[in-house]
Amino acid sequence: AQSVSQHNHHVILSEAASLELGCNYSYGGTVNLFWYVQYPGQHLQLLLKYFSGDPLVKGIKGFEAEFIKSKFSFNLRKPSVQWSDTAEYFCAVLRNSGNTPLVFGKGTRLSVIA
Amino acid sequence: DGGITQSPKYLFRKEGQNVTLSCEQNLNHDAMYWYRQDPGQGLRLIYYSQIVNDFQKGDIAEGYSVSREKKESFPLTVTSAQKNPTAFYLCASSLRDTGVCTFGSGTRLTVV
Repeated sequence: AQSVSQHNHHVILSEAASLELGCNYSYGGTVNLFWYVQYPGQHLQLLLKYFSGDPLVKGIKGFEAEFIKSKFSFNLRKPSVQWSDTAEYFCAVLRNSGNTPLVFGKGTRLSVIA
Repeated sequence: DGGITQSPKYLFRKEGQNVTLSCEQNLNHDAMYWYRQDPGQGLRLIYYSQIVNDFQKGDIAEGYSVSREKKESFPLTVTSAQKNPTAFYLCASSLRDTGVCTFGSGTRLTVV
């Protein structure tokens, strides 16, 4: 089945550690890619998106993601995490075949400890 | 301020009762969505609507129904046919085919 896979269910990091969260998708054709974040007690919100152009995209709060078409991947990275980055992170894919909704991965819970 | 309003925030119902969750947006978005969020399952699509008076089933539509009579409103009814209705329900809206969604704060439904 076509899907979005996030490899890590729960990641625990110390402050200042580097972060990389994996995301792979299995759709062919052109896609738009997204990372959404859900901070504790808050709305799900957009972190960053890729539509076209430079495959390295930068988002809010120092996050970035790289689209590697050959690997069907869109991994999220941050060089140095902070305690306030504790949240759940969702990768999502929009197929450009039209009239299709976002498909989300199962999410990765990030816990940053002091 | 523009946004999406979901109400109520918490809802308790007895088994066998239908219940309707409200979702209203003032963003002038054409598309609206209902997702269900369960621990470890991510967001699973229940129904979506790209235009008024039209909607499509998502991956887990069984036991749910929706209507889209107005652009601003997309209520979700959880029927007694839904086998496991206790969950966190998220409503979202977007401009068509952009994937840039605005989410509501969610409704936590508990069926006892």
